[in-house]
Amino acid sequence: RKEVEQDPGPFNVPEGATVAFNCTYSNSASQSFFWYRQDCRKEPKLLMSVYSSGNEDGRFTAQLNRASQYISLLIRDSKLSDSATYLCVVNSNAGGTSYGKLTFGQGTILTVHP
Amino acid sequence: SQTIHQWPATLVQPVGSPLSLECTVEGTSNPNLYWYRQAAGRGLQLLFYSIGIDQISSEVPQNLSASRPQDRQFILSSKKLLLSDSGFYLCAWSVGRTYLTSNQPQHFGDGTRLSIL
Repeated sequence: RKEVEQDPGPFNVPEGATVAFNCTYSNSASQSFFWYRQDCRKEPKLLMSVYSSGNEDGRFTAQLNRASQYISLLIRDSKLSDSATYLCVVNSNAGGTSYGKLTFGQGTILTVHP
Repeated sequence: SQTIHQWPATLVQPVGSPLSLECTVEGTSNPNLYWYRQAAGRGLQLLFYSIGIDQISSEVPQNLSASRPQDRQFILSSKKLLLSDSGFYLCAWSVGRTYLTSNQPQHFGDGTRLSIL
């Protein structure tokens, strides 16, 4: 089983749609979780951290379910500019070490069309 | 604010030639530093990470090496490039040496697109 698994998509949605991405992780000791966005031929950029109680940043909502080892990202009112690959990212070192190793999912491709 | 610089942006090299990619971070001290490779259409593969000067760990056996001669400088090298070394190389940093390290995101440079001919 991969450490971080995502549905690769692609997701093709019209502008204004709501779209949700899911991600599962295998290491129950993982402590921190993030969503990154990567545009074509560009570097990944941090979109948002994911907190235990769930968190929202504008049109984006992230949820964490530790019991099921599951993370989600909801995008409301999709914009053309949301088209990108969305990477689910999990901290994979279990306590004590200081290097903050992250494991990146393969990414989910989103295309928002007019 | 912190910034990360990575160069060159693109590089075309013949098989068997050497490689040196450089990454520097500004605006922070004692960062953790990372080198990743992303093959076309693939996910990010961690190559090296470093928690301090001359403290480097390799994640996968390969044709590459890394060095950290200064606190905020991270260099990726190869003596002889292989065709399989082609890819998108990304340097990243995160806050290091605090109890919060495990909760810190990583921040990436612009990347170097390396093509081996």
